[in-house]
Amino acid sequence: KQEVTQIPAALSVPEGENLVLNCSFTDSAIYNLQWFRQDPGKGLTSLLLIQSSQREQTSGRLNASLDKSSGRSTLYIAASQPGDSATYLCAAPKAAGNKLTFGGGTRVLVKP
Amino acid sequence: NAGVTQTPKFRILKIGQSMTLQCTQDMNHNYMYWYRQDPGMGLKLIYYSVGAGITDKGEVPNGYNVSRSTTEDFPLRLELAAPSQTSVYFCASSYSIRKGHNEQFFGPGTRLTVL
Repeated sequence: KQEVTQIPAALSVPEGENLVLNCSFTDSAIYNLQWFRQDPGKGLTSLLLIQSSQREQTSGRLNASLDKSSGRSTLYIAASQPGDSATYLCAAPKAAGNKLTFGGGTRVLVKP
Repeated sequence: NAGVTQTPKFRILKIGQSMTLQCTQDMNHNYMYWYRQDPGMGLKLIYYSVGAGITDKGEVPNGYNVSRSTTEDFPLRLELAAPSQTSVYFCASSYSIRKGHNEQFFGPGTRLTVL
């Protein structure tokens, strides 16, 4: 059974600092790995999706890496802004069916 | 495209009542999913569907039922509501599971309280 873990559960940084968010998974036979952002009381917004054959994916200030052999993915957010304050969730499906297993999320606060 | 839409946004139920959470997507996606999110937790898969007429159980299906009569709609039914079903329910969809088409898109959620 796939287990996805995100540590720490909460993170507070001053504005301008780079953010590093960690995601670990127990079964490396993942199909892809997806990072989401969730604002309080809102739904999930997809940030990045890394296919199992990729090692990283970039979108603007966001960069996500994937290391299947060690069971880890890292989301980097450069030059953090107060608007980056949210909960970040990672999720990975096993091969068929694309059924996502979610981590518990990391709640990020960027202080002005 | 409106994407994935869910109704209602909020609902309070009494124990034993039943209700249907609606989910519709207009992206012609084949795959649809229902997740629940308990406070401070990640999401858990309740049911999913790979196409019209085909549904299957996820991680936490007990107390729920689904149907998929059309590509667009994937309603979730609670027959006898229990306090343990107090949660936020998210519907999601993806075009397929093939690379390049397997990103999941989420609706805004339905916040359900059972008292």
